[in-house]
Amino acid sequence: DAGVTQSPTHLIKTRGQQVTLRCSPKSGHDTVSWYQQALGQGPQFIFQYYEEEERQRGNFPDRFSGHQFPNYSSELNVNALLLGDSALYLCASSWGGGGEQFFGPGTRLTVL
Amino acid sequence: AQKITQTQPGMFVQEKEAVTLDCTYDTSDPSYGLFWYKQPSSGEMIFLIYQGSYDQQNATEGRYSLNFQKARKSANLVISASQLGDSAMYFCAMREVRGKLIFGQGTELSVKP
Repeated sequence: DAGVTQSPTHLIKTRGQQVTLRCSPKSGHDTVSWYQQALGQGPQFIFQYYEEEERQRGNFPDRFSGHQFPNYSSELNVNALLLGDSALYLCASSWGGGGEQFFGPGTRLTVL
Repeated sequence: AQKITQTQPGMFVQEKEAVTLDCTYDTSDPSYGLFWYKQPSSGEMIFLIYQGSYDQQNATEGRYSLNFQKARKSANLVISASQLGDSAMYFCAMREVRGKLIFGQGTELSVKP
């Protein structure tokens, strides 16, 4: 039973570029949540996708957008990258829009 | 506003001893869930234990137990018989009704041999 997977593992971008991060939920899960974790901080909620729609959103600018596909996998897109976007991006999946969230290994994004 | 507070940035414990990691929370919702996660240096969040706001008994999972004191709004994690592999960051989190997790700042636990 595959857990939550994320790709890529690491990513280096320069300011102003755009990035797409990908997440495949745990088998049987239909809800994907994205979190940003800056160095030395706890994760911060970005948004949650359920039934292919953004269900909840945290305090992040519109540069952060996402998508959920019919197979429940999800993408996180960040436009016009800033140095402050450097962080570990964690994806978590759950079932039915709530429930226990299982996390993936994360994508480490470095913006130079 | 919902908030999680972890006041211990770092903790040390001797191998085989027990340790308590503190967590207090603030919410006006009657229904919520409290979680503890372990995050090793690799970055993955590993679920440890869960306590629902209506649960009457304190949650236990192997060497982990959650000391839930609802009136005091605290949800401390107790790790018994610490092992070297327990060295990691530990995060307390609260789940809102619609599923969003709110995390504390974390506590870095170091287990000494």
